Amino acid sequence: GAGVSQSPSNKVTEKGKDVELRCDPISGHTALYWYRQSLGQGLEFLIYFQGNSAPDKSGLPSDRFSAERTGGSVSTLTIQRTQQEDSAVYLCASSPSRQGLGEQYFGPGTRLTVT
Amino acid sequence: TQLLEQSPQFLSIQEGENLTVYCNSSSVFSSLQWYRQEPGEGPVLLVTVVTGGEVKKLKRLTFQFGDARKDSSLHITAAQPGDTGLYLCAGAGYSNYQLIWGAGTKLIIKP
Repeated sequence: GAGVSQSPSNKVTEKGKDVELRCDPISGHTALYWYRQSLGQGLEFLIYFQGNSAPDKSGLPSDRFSAERTGGSVSTLTIQRTQQEDSAVYLCASSPSRQGLGEQYFGPGTRLTVT
Repeated sequence: TQLLEQSPQFLSIQEGENLTVYCNSSSVFSSLQWYRQEPGEGPVLLVTVVTGGEVKKLKRLTFQFGDARKDSSLHITAAQPGDTGLYLCAGAGYSNYQLIWGAGTKLIIKP
C-alpha cells in the first residue's frame, strides 16, 4: 500500500518568508509525528498528533512553528518568518498504534533551505 | 530526562569486516527499535526488540536487547557496501508515545 508522502521534496526560501510543509500519513494510522533532522544527525522531535486529542507541541523550537492535522489525516507544518537555522530536513512519520511498540513509518522528508 | 547514547558516531570499514553499534541508556525501555536511513530518504524500521536478552537476526544483522532493557547492540557480519547508511536506535517508554532517539551511527562500507 501507499506509504507516507511529503511535499514538497525540496524547498528553498528567503529568510523571513513563511513556508508550509505537507504530510500525508498511511491510511488508518492514528498517530502522526513531525521531526527535524540536521545533516547526518539524529531526529529532533517537534510535534505529535494522536487521533482527535490535543497535540503534544512540546518539541516545537519557537512560536514561529505550528502544525495542524485536518480530519485526522493530512498534516501541515508551518514555519513563519523563516531563519537560516531552520534549514534542515523535516520528516513526517505515522504510526498505527496509540501506545505499545510505537513503530513509526517515515516519509522521504522535505529538505528546507533558508537563504 | 531519558537519553539514548549511540556509539560510534561514525564508522568506515572495508567490505567483509564485522562491526558492532551500541545504544546505551540509564533508563529502562519497553522496547527498542533500530532504523536505517539512506541519503534523501526517511528512516526505515529494521527490527523491534521487546524482551530483555532478546536476540533477533535479519540476514547478516544481529540485534540484541540487554537483559535490563537499558541497552542494545547491532552487529553486522561481513559488511557489504549496501549496508552503508545512518543507523538509528530509538527506545519506547512504558507509558509514553514518544520514542527516545539516539544520535545515529553513520556507517560507510568501502568496496
